[in-house]
Amino acid sequence: KAGVTQTPRYLIKTRGQQVTLSCSPISGHRSVSWYQQTPGQGLQFLFEYFSETQRNKGNFPGRFSGRQFSNSRSEMNVSTLELGDSALYLCASNGLAGGGETQYFGPGTRLLVL
Amino acid sequence: GQQLNQSPQSMFIQEGEDVSMNCTSSSIFNTWLWYKQEPGEGPVLLIALYKAGELTSNGRLTAQFGITRKDSFLNISASIPSDVGIYFCAGQRWTGNTPLVFGKGTRLSVIA
Repeated sequence: KAGVTQTPRYLIKTRGQQVTLSCSPISGHRSVSWYQQTPGQGLQFLFEYFSETQRNKGNFPGRFSGRQFSNSRSEMNVSTLELGDSALYLCASNGLAGGGETQYFGPGTRLLVL
Repeated sequence: GQQLNQSPQSMFIQEGEDVSMNCTSSSIFNTWLWYKQEPGEGPVLLIALYKAGELTSNGRLTAQFGITRKDSFLNISASIPSDVGIYFCAGQRWTGNTPLVFGKGTRLSVIA
């Protein structure tokens, strides 16, 4: 099975711009989670989508939004970028394995806001 | 948001030595996962634990789900240079429908 793919891998934006990141989960997985990773805060949960519906949301401002399509691919959008949004954005594909649910991560999109 | 207490923060060890790291929480978790992340990449799943007391191995790696459900540890035996990276623990309160909570990671350096 192909793994989780994320595009683009690297992105440079300026303050005030917006950005859209894309994630394709493992085939057959219907749930996708997004995380922001920074050196100071570590891995922070953004939101989770299951069957095109947002199922969980972390403590991020409304500038961060996402959606999921019928083929389970997901996008996240950040509007009005701030310098502090510079981070590695990780998408995880959620599926059952062994005795329970497991999350498999993509390589991430590294966003730099100037 | 809530995070797990992972220790140590960093380790410098000689090649061939064994390594131990752990995660603790004040809350009960029903799933514990251990990941390894290398520079420029996403975390890679190493071991998944779903039952209290469960002990699971993956090659030279062994992880245990604490009997109280509030902790987990990861051991690496006979470390090699390619073990270098950041190891994260992650816990899930309820199976399915709840997000993972992560530790801040243990940065492992192996001296050849």
